[in-house]
Amino acid sequence: NAGVTQTPKFQVLKTGQSMTLQCAQDMNHEYMSWYRQDPGMGLRLIHYSVGAGITDQGEVPNGYNVSRSTTEDFPLRLLSAAPSQTSVYFCASSYSGPTGEQFFGPGTRLTVL
Amino acid sequence: KQEVTQIPAALSVPEGENLVLNCSFTDSAIYNLQWFRQDPGKGLTSLLLIQSSQREQTSGRLNASLDKSSGRSTLYIAASQPGDSATYLCAVVVDTGNQFYFGTGTSLTVIP
Repeated sequence: NAGVTQTPKFQVLKTGQSMTLQCAQDMNHEYMSWYRQDPGMGLRLIHYSVGAGITDQGEVPNGYNVSRSTTEDFPLRLLSAAPSQTSVYFCASSYSGPTGEQFFGPGTRLTVL
Repeated sequence: KQEVTQIPAALSVPEGENLVLNCSFTDSAIYNLQWFRQDPGKGLTSLLLIQSSQREQTSGRLNASLDKSSGRSTLYIAASQPGDSATYLCAVVVDTGNQFYFGTGTSLTVIP
């Protein structure tokens, strides 16, 4: 099992550019989620999905889009990058939703200039 | 909104010491609480999960306790080792919610 994988590991964007952060898991988990981690603020939930075709917003969804066409993949799209989106992004998955053990990917460090 | 606080933000101890990390939360209506470890530049690894009906969980040298009524959890690490150096985060899931609320973590350094 590769677990939860994220690509790319690092990315630099200019303000206004768009990009997609990739997340995949091979554990057949229904629940997947995206967090951002900022210094002094802890991890905050951006979007989550309880299964293919079902997504919902978390605490800080503005500026981000998600879709879930398969169980394995949960990409996060930045529509028009802003410096405030400079952060480390983590994808996580779980067999039993937020109430079960969470498996995290290694993260993507994004810098928006 | 649930607020999760971890004190201290940083802790440095000599190898072999027993230590306690603290986590407090404002809304006691939680479903569970999890402790995670994060190594520099890496993702989070789940250490212990405590259901709201439980008082504690143990895994090896780690013991986590939960006092829902007072909104507190502690992570006890016995006989600390340099390999325990990492940031430790706690997170809670509220009864009616579908997400975790994370604390900002305690950065632990164990000095050989």
